[in-house]
Amino acid sequence: QKEVEQNSGPLSVPEGAIASLNCTYSDRVSQSFFWYRQYSGKSPELIMSIYSNGDKEDGRFTAQLNKASQYVSLLIRDSQPSDSATYLCAANRGNFNKFYFGSGTKLNVKP
Amino acid sequence: GAGVSQSPSNKVTEKGKDVELRCDPISGHTALYWYRQSLGQGLEFLIYFQGNSAPDKSGLPSDRFSAERTGGSVSTLTIQRTQQEDSAVYLCASSEDRVYEQYFGPGTRLTVT
Repeated sequence: QKEVEQNSGPLSVPEGAIASLNCTYSDRVSQSFFWYRQYSGKSPELIMSIYSNGDKEDGRFTAQLNKASQYVSLLIRDSQPSDSATYLCAANRGNFNKFYFGSGTKLNVKP
Repeated sequence: GAGVSQSPSNKVTEKGKDVELRCDPISGHTALYWYRQSLGQGLEFLIYFQGNSAPDKSGLPSDRFSAERTGGSVSTLTIQRTQQEDSAVYLCASSEDRVYEQYFGPGTRLTVT
C-alpha cells in the first residue's frame, strides 16, 4: 500500500466550476500535508499546506483535512484554464526529513 | 534571488556507465532533498541532508546510488553502473531549517539507453 494515494484522473471541469481533488494517506502518524502543482515538464510548486483538522483557505484554494478519515482534499474555486496541471498531495510525519508524495491527479479546466 | 539550480538538464548515458547529477540549493537553505520522478509517477524520496547532521539515506533504492553535500551547499547525486530502470527525472529541493516549504529545482532528465 502506498503512503499517499490519489486518483490519477484526468479530472475535467469547465471554466468557472469548482475542482475537487482528493488524497488519502495510510500512516496515522502523518502530521503535515501539502498540495503541489506541477505543470507538464516543470517542477512542483507548493500551493497549500495544512496541519490541523478542518479547512484552510487561500484565495481560490481551500485545503481540507480529516485526520480521523485520513483524508485530504483541495478545492479550487472559479477554475481557470491556467489551473490545468497535475496536483500532487504530500504527507510528512512532522520530522522534516521524509515527504511522501502521491502520484498526482491531472486536472483539465476546459474554456 | 536565485532559485535551486540543477545540472545537467538532460543526460543520456549508456547502461553500465556512472553519472553525476548536481544540485545548487538556494543560498542559506540548510535542508536539501533529492527525489526521483518516473513517468506518470509521484515523487520518490531518495535522500535528505540537514546542515551538518548525518543524511537520511533511507530512500536510496540500491547501493549504486550515493550522494554527498560539500560545505553544506552543493550536492552531487551519483549513480553507478546505471540501469534502464534508473531513467527518470531527478529533482532536488531545498528549504530553510525546520521549514516545510520546499523549493524545487528544474530537474535532470536521465535517460539510460
